[in-house]
Amino acid sequence: KAGVTQTPRYLIKTRGQQVTLSCSPISGHRSVSWYQQTPGQGLQFLFEYFSETQRNKGNFPGRFSGRQFSNSRSEMNVSTLELGDSALYLCASSLFLAGGYGSDTQYFGPGTRLTVL
Amino acid sequence: KNEVEQSPQNLTAQEGEFITINCSYSVGISALHWLQQHPGGGIVSLFMLSSGKKKHGRLIATINIQEKHSSLHITASHPRDSAVYICAVNSGETSGSRLTFGEGTQLTVNP
Repeated sequence: KAGVTQTPRYLIKTRGQQVTLSCSPISGHRSVSWYQQTPGQGLQFLFEYFSETQRNKGNFPGRFSGRQFSNSRSEMNVSTLELGDSALYLCASSLFLAGGYGSDTQYFGPGTRLTVL
Repeated sequence: KNEVEQSPQNLTAQEGEFITINCSYSVGISALHWLQQHPGGGIVSLFMLSSGKKKHGRLIATINIQEKHSSLHITASHPRDSAVYICAVNSGETSGSRLTFGEGTQLTVNP
C-alpha cells in the first residue's frame, strides 16, 4: 500500500497570502490529523478529521482550517499568513477499525515545509 | 510544566551501547506513542502502548500507568539509530488522534 502523501513538499509564500496543503491518507484510513512543527514550539496538534467531520481541534487561531473529502483526502488552509506560520506541516492517517473509538497507530506523511517571507 | 516530558534532551552513545529514553506525563491517557524522526522530517511510529511492554527487533517500550512513566530502550545501538525520538500521548478524555508531544530526545550513536 502506498504511504501517506502530502503536496506540495515545499512552499514559499509572503505575509498576508493564503495557502492550501493537501494530504492523501493510506487507502482505507478514515482519520486524518494535521500537526505543525516549529523549532520553538515543537510538534503541536492542529485538528483531526474522521469521516469528513472535524473531531478534534487544537489551540490555533481561526486562520487555520481544514476539511476532509469523501475519499478521506484532506486539505488544510491557512489564511492571512504570518511569519510565525513558517513550519513543517505534517499529516498523519489512522485506520480506526473500532468505529472510530479509542486510539490507533498514526502513519505520518513526509510533511510540507512552508516558509513565509 | 509540559504535560509530556522527556529525558534526556540529548544523548550521545557509542555503537553497541544500551540506550534508555524516559517519558513522564501528567494527564490521564488512553495510549502512549513512541515516534522516530530522522533529519528531513519524516516521522515513523515505533510503538503504541497502553500497558505493559512491547518489543520490536532491538527496540523495547515499557509503560507504567500508575507512575505515569514510559521508557524506550534500544539494545546494541547502531549509528543508523541516530534520530530524534518523541514521546506522545492520547489524552484519556476523548477518542481520536489528538496527540500531545514531548520535546524529543536527540540521539547520536557514534561508530
